[in-house]
Amino acid sequence: GESVGLHLPTLSVQEGDNSIINCAYSNSASDYFIWYKQESGKGPQFIIDIRSNMDKRQGQRVTVLLNKTVKHLSLQIAATQPGDSAVYFCAENRGGGADGLTFGKGTHLIIQP
Amino acid sequence: DGGITQSPKYLFRKEGQNVTLSCEQNLNHDAMYWYRQDPGQGLRLIYYSQIVNDFQKGDIAEGYSVSREKKESFPLTVTSAQKNPTAFYLCATSDIDEQFFGPGTRLTVL
Repeated sequence: GESVGLHLPTLSVQEGDNSIINCAYSNSASDYFIWYKQESGKGPQFIIDIRSNMDKRQGQRVTVLLNKTVKHLSLQIAATQPGDSAVYFCAENRGGGADGLTFGKGTHLIIQP
Repeated sequence: DGGITQSPKYLFRKEGQNVTLSCEQNLNHDAMYWYRQDPGQGLRLIYYSQIVNDFQKGDIAEGYSVSREKKESFPLTVTSAQKNPTAFYLCATSDIDEQFFGPGTRLTVL
């Protein structure tokens, strides 16, 4: 089974509000996590990443939080805009090195006007 | 999508036919990957290659084959042994940890 997942399939927020998308992982050995954004019919786009030696990392309007105690990852998007509408996936490295990523099923973020 | 090209964008195939999906990159990355995505699902790893002339099976390699004769190219063949090949196929490359994705090929079996 998948080692990354447990999420709300759809999240609807008002434009201008903050969004929080959650993800749980089961592999305690994972040391690298990524959030991707995928628009319909396109490949995933990198948003932000975090290593296991960190608890928080901030980008432009996005913040990723990592709680290793409960194996939980979250993506916070500040002041959501219509262009933020997409499916968001969390992913973890499979075993270090270049062995590929394991993805969760994704959360569809819908921005209400 | 950066320097990753996948072709064709849409592909139709009759049952029982093999088909090859192309993936080319000019990012000079050593590692390349193929993922499959089904509707409403996350990506699942089919095959990956960390270096030229070497590749490894991912989680769902059955019914697929790959080659890595050049650093720039990592074609994926969907064989007739793949029972449910209709899906969105994504190629990726990586530089250390971060993976960069191509635009994808949507394969439909008629």
